[in-house]
Amino acid sequence: GEDVEQSLFLSVREGDSSVINCTYTDSSSTYLYWYKQEPGAGLQLLTYIFSNMDMKQDQRLTVLLNKKDKHLSLRIADTQTGDSAIYFCADTPGSSNTGKLIFGQGTTLQVKP
Amino acid sequence: EPEVTQTPSHQVTQMGQEVILRCVPISNHLYFYWYRQILGQKVEFLVSFYNNEISEKSEIFDDQFSVERPDGSNFTLKIRSTKLEDSAMYFCASSPGTAYNEQFFGPGTRLTVL
Repeated sequence: GEDVEQSLFLSVREGDSSVINCTYTDSSSTYLYWYKQEPGAGLQLLTYIFSNMDMKQDQRLTVLLNKKDKHLSLRIADTQTGDSAIYFCADTPGSSNTGKLIFGQGTTLQVKP
Repeated sequence: EPEVTQTPSHQVTQMGQEVILRCVPISNHLYFYWYRQILGQKVEFLVSFYNNEISEKSEIFDDQFSVERPDGSNFTLKIRSTKLEDSAMYFCASSPGTAYNEQFFGPGTRLTVL
């Protein structure tokens, strides 16, 4: 079945780059997403990438997609303490006609000053 | 900026009781969703709703669950007879139906079944 996997925890120093990795199983996924969750808040879309792209850059965020290996990564440049949150990788299976999201378990990013 | 709201933020109920979780999606959105996250587990899709009917549901969404959009603004999830294993954070989401299907999530309702 459809599955998305992520590592659970990442700790970096302020100013460093953070790289959060994700793998997925559905080769027919059309879009892949990164959502961010801050304490007490809902999930917020950070960025997304269409499945025919290899890379997408949006200010401090860079998304890399390796379709062959079904691997997605999110790089945050110059990580700030305000970036501390849980980051969820998600995809929409090709079999879904309503855009349901399949989430990874979330990576807690801890940014130390 | 428009946002999805959910009430209550925390609901405590006894096993076997019915609960209704409420959501107000963003007003011009077309697709509505419920997800849940059991503590320590992944966020799981429950159901999607479009054009006043269920369009897709997961295996979790059995006969104990129902959804409704009673008045064109609220979107509710009803659990008829709660079980201990229904304890979770329930998230509502809505989407305007763009090509990349951005979903806007509410802050969640934490349901505790005793």
